[in-house]
Amino acid sequence: NAGVTQTPKFQVLKTGQSMTLQCAQDMNHEYMSWYRQDPGMGLRLIHYSVGAGITDQGEVPNGYNVSRSTTEDFPLRLLSAAPSQTSVYFCASSINPKAGSPLHFGNGTRLTVT
Amino acid sequence: GENVEQHPSTLSVQEGDSAVIKCTYSDSASNYFPWYKQELGKGPQLIIDIRSNVGEKKDQRIAVTLNKTAKHFSLHITETQPEDSAVYFCAATSPSAGNKLTFGGGTRVLVKP
Repeated sequence: NAGVTQTPKFQVLKTGQSMTLQCAQDMNHEYMSWYRQDPGMGLRLIHYSVGAGITDQGEVPNGYNVSRSTTEDFPLRLLSAAPSQTSVYFCASSINPKAGSPLHFGNGTRLTVT
Repeated sequence: GENVEQHPSTLSVQEGDSAVIKCTYSDSASNYFPWYKQELGKGPQLIIDIRSNVGEKKDQRIAVTLNKTAKHFSLHITETQPEDSAVYFCAATSPSAGNKLTFGGGTRVLVKP
């Protein structure tokens, strides 16, 4: 049982490049989400999904796309990277957020955009 | 939407002393308040949580208290140890915000031996 797995751990992009951050969970959780972590700003929600085929925007969705074709996977796409997207990105999953169930986080992807 | 503020942003304590982190929230409908610990290079991990129908919860050396009237909740760590050094986040979930977790800005705790 690996929990939430994120790849890659580190990535450097040039402005304008695109890439996909991968996230997979093996806990059969319906809810998955992406956060970015910036110094002093805590964790801010980018996008989330309550099940396969369903996605919605969080607090800071601009510049990011997501899809949820399977229960296990929830990739985050940067279409045209900008320096403002330099951050640490965390994927998290939960059984059922409506019941106040805890989030399980991956170990993050540290992204630098030059 | 929900707004969560966390204080202090950094906290330095001597080993064996207590540490207290405080959070306030804005949405009176919030009903779930977890605390996460993040060690260097890792993702946050849940350490304790409390629901709005409970005023206090303890788990060994950590405890959380909730004051719904004042809309604030606190994390208490007693007999701190070097392994308690980490970044701690509070969070709140509100049904009116689609049950999405809103996080505080984090507190970096350093326990000095």
